[in-house]
Amino acid sequence: EVVLTQSPDFQSVTPKEKVTITCRASQTIGSSLHWYQQKPGQSPKLLIKYVSQSFSGVPSRFGGSGSGTDFTLTISSLEAEDAATYYCHQSSSLPYTFGQGTKLEIK
Amino acid sequence: EVQLVESGGGLIQPGGSLRLSCAASEPTVTASDNYMSWVRQAPGKGLEWVSVIYGDGSTYYADSVKGRFTISRDNFKNTVYLQVNSLRVEDTALYYCARTYGGVWGQGTTVTVSS
Repeated sequence: EVVLTQSPDFQSVTPKEKVTITCRASQTIGSSLHWYQQKPGQSPKLLIKYVSQSFSGVPSRFGGSGSGTDFTLTISSLEAEDAATYYCHQSSSLPYTFGQGTKLEIK
Repeated sequence: EVQLVESGGGLIQPGGSLRLSCAASEPTVTASDNYMSWVRQAPGKGLEWVSVIYGDGSTYYADSVKGRFTISRDNFKNTVYLQVNSLRVEDTALYYCARTYGGVWGQGTTVTVSS
């Protein structure tokens, strides 16, 4: 099973700050790495698919990069509405897995 | 855009069974490259991938549910099912059906396993 480890687990950030969340896989997963945002009481929402492809309607401040085992979600200029938990997810190797999540708090 | 509606959750005793349903507004698991997953989230916890069914009929499961859960589909009803048997307290969660990296998620159905 591919283990996805996100860092940090929690981050308190100020609006307009640049935020970077990393996701490290226990083995190479190619480009089958996706990012989701989940706010309390809501279903997860897809932000980025296949490492760097932005999903329809997602603000341009969200971006993804990486390869092999190391991947990054970047929020270029944080907005208050970005307070949420972010998850990475791999669909390269069964069983598919999620990272443990990174909670962003807005100061 | 396809919409997904889950149902079938409830309060069940350990060892019991339920059948969860995921009704789609249009065909979702008919083409060879289509799929539908179940993902669960225990109270206050992260997302856990549970199972997937592909258009060719192949099915896969997380180790934690293998042998107890069965995913299936009814293409005529545009519905995917998750039969959950031998339920354990640790199966308590909100169960989502989703085309995960297709960007389509339902609102979830809650399964509570408790005596």
